[in-house]
Amino acid sequence: DIVMTQSPFSLAVSEGEMVTINCKSSQSLLSSGNQKNYLAWYQQKPGQSPKLLIYYASTRQSGVPDRFIGSGSGTDFTLTISDVQAEDLADYYCLQHYSYPFTFGSGTKLEIK
Amino acid sequence: QVQLKESGPGLVQPSQTLSLTCTVSGFSLTSYNVHWVRQPPGKGLEWMGRMRYNGDTSYNSALKSRLSISRDTSKNQVFLKMNSLQTDDTGTYYCTRYNNFDYWGQGVMVTVSS
Repeated sequence: DIVMTQSPFSLAVSEGEMVTINCKSSQSLLSSGNQKNYLAWYQQKPGQSPKLLIYYASTRQSGVPDRFIGSGSGTDFTLTISDVQAEDLADYYCLQHYSYPFTFGSGTKLEIK
Repeated sequence: QVQLKESGPGLVQPSQTLSLTCTVSGFSLTSYNVHWVRQPPGKGLEWMGRMRYNGDTSYNSALKSRLSISRDTSKNQVFLKMNSLQTDDTGTYYCTRYNNFDYWGQGVMVTVSS
């Protein structure tokens, strides 16, 4: 199984600051066939279902603010949230869907100071 | 529009079988895969398994011996059955459409307790 190591466990920032969340996979998520990284990022606000933010490592889902930026390739990936807003209070998860079983990172809790 | 909705019992006794239904609308089960994901209270997400558009299934190896996923395309429903439930199976169960998991159901909370 591919292990997804996500860090940090939690972080607290003030509005307007920038945060980075990291995910490292135990195997490459880059498909040689289509050169896509099968890595997605999700936001889960308290009491809600997860919401897709970023897919194929760097493609923003429709309607997601452009302050959410995904980057990385192969085994190392980053979600950057610039100009953090109070509404960004949530848990964030990465997911590899390169191979079965799909596996999620352990999550990062973002708190707003 | 695309919707998924989970339904099932909120309380299951230990050692019993959990049966959940995911009813979808706005897309066809013969065109998209549907997956099940669960989340224990206060913890992270766990992928459980999937129903492929052609009827094939895949399961998390940790759950494979207890888990079964099926469907009824005429009713736009995907079913999850998991036997021998224990207290650590307590959590919220979600179904989600595989287009990078772009749509999720609201989730159904399942408590395993006597």
